[in-house]
Amino acid sequence: AQSVTQLGSHVSVSEGALVLLRCNYSSSVPPYLFWYVQYPNQGLQLLLKYTSAATLVKGINGFEAEFKKSETSFHLTKPSAHMSDAAEYFCAVSDPNNDMRFGAGTRLTVKP
Amino acid sequence: DTGVSQDPRHKITKRGQNVTFRCDPISEHNRLYWYRQTLGQGPEFLTYFQNEAQLEKSRLLSDRFSAERPKGSFSTLEIQRTEQGDSAMYLCASSLSGASGNTIYFGEGSWLTVV
Repeated sequence: AQSVTQLGSHVSVSEGALVLLRCNYSSSVPPYLFWYVQYPNQGLQLLLKYTSAATLVKGINGFEAEFKKSETSFHLTKPSAHMSDAAEYFCAVSDPNNDMRFGAGTRLTVKP
Repeated sequence: DTGVSQDPRHKITKRGQNVTFRCDPISEHNRLYWYRQTLGQGPEFLTYFQNEAQLEKSRLLSDRFSAERPKGSFSTLEIQRTEQGDSAMYLCASSLSGASGNTIYFGEGSWLTVV
């Protein structure tokens, strides 16, 4: 069975500071990994995905994530936080059949 | 590409009533998923269809829940005899099968409040 664990349910950063949201996965097959963002009262929007090509994946809004097999991690980063980045972020893992499982989410707060 | 659309966006119902949600996937997508999300949690898988066939159902999907996708296009999720614990956001998503790692696209969700 595949799963993801997001470390830290809440992360707070100052505007302009580095954003680091942590995600570790467990999968018995080579995983496909995703980060989604959710703004209040909205659905989930794909930020980026890893599908066994380049290990460093660039997404929308300046976010990127690096797949590290040795650490079973897929952490999300952004060099400089913006107020508009405040949202809930979900890491997800899927198998080749698109059976997707989500982490519990990390709420990002950006302080002015 | 009009995206995944869900209706209604919000529903308030009394305990014991039946409710139905509709989902229209992205037109060329053959897979359709239902998830449930409660406050502070990630989406939990409920069920998915490939075309009109319901291929997997979570144990979370009790016998009060039924999902259909009769013509392989839109889908409905019905909850019978609603309970307060059913209050959640119900998310629909769709994808195109045939290639691994296909992106699953989500709708805006349907909020259910059972009073």
